[in-house]
Amino acid sequence: SQELEQSPQSLIVQEGKNLTINCTSSKTLYGLYWYKQKYGEGLIFLMMLQKGGEEKSHEKITAKLDEKKQQSSLHITASQPSHAGIYLCGADSGPDSWGKFQFGAGTQVVVTP
Amino acid sequence: NAGVTQTPKFRVLKTGQSMTLLCAQDMNHEYMYWYRQDPGMGLRLIHYSVGEGTTAKGEVPDGYNVSRLKKQNFLLGLESAAPSQTSVYFCASSPREDTQYFGPGTRLTVL
Repeated sequence: SQELEQSPQSLIVQEGKNLTINCTSSKTLYGLYWYKQKYGEGLIFLMMLQKGGEEKSHEKITAKLDEKKQQSSLHITASQPSHAGIYLCGADSGPDSWGKFQFGAGTQVVVTP
Repeated sequence: NAGVTQTPKFRVLKTGQSMTLLCAQDMNHEYMYWYRQDPGMGLRLIHYSVGEGTTAKGEVPDGYNVSRLKKQNFLLGLESAAPSQTSVYFCASSPREDTQYFGPGTRLTVL
């Protein structure tokens, strides 16, 4: 089965600084999704990447999918307190089993003043 | 639209008791999912459904059963609860092969 590894497990960043989270798959990704979760709440969709080399941005968050479609990164520019939370990457298992979704373990982001 | 709703929000069970978690979505989505989230382990897929009347096993299906009798509802059952099933349970729904929309979660404690 597909394994998704996220790094780092957690990070503390000073407000205004940039941060990057990585998500690496053991298999080719058919669709890579980034979600954000605040403690004790459900997940909020951020972005979806499907094509090799694809890059998407929303406000200060940019996500990229590498050409080989096995690694994605999420980059936050000039972090703010509102960026604090847990970021998870997720992926579908592909055409052999659409719907069998898998998530990484998550990266906890803390933004300090 | 209410989106994805989960009932109940909290529950405490004794070992061996049974219960059913209800997930409802009003977005006419084909796919529905049940996950559990445990510290340090991220979200793990329990069961999922790609359409009314169909269900399939996910990564951690043991000890759970599901049913999708109506397109808008996806039920997760615990026949004989165990302390290892203490977790936060999330339901999600999606159109085919598209982003998932998550419910607020159910916190279950099994004593």
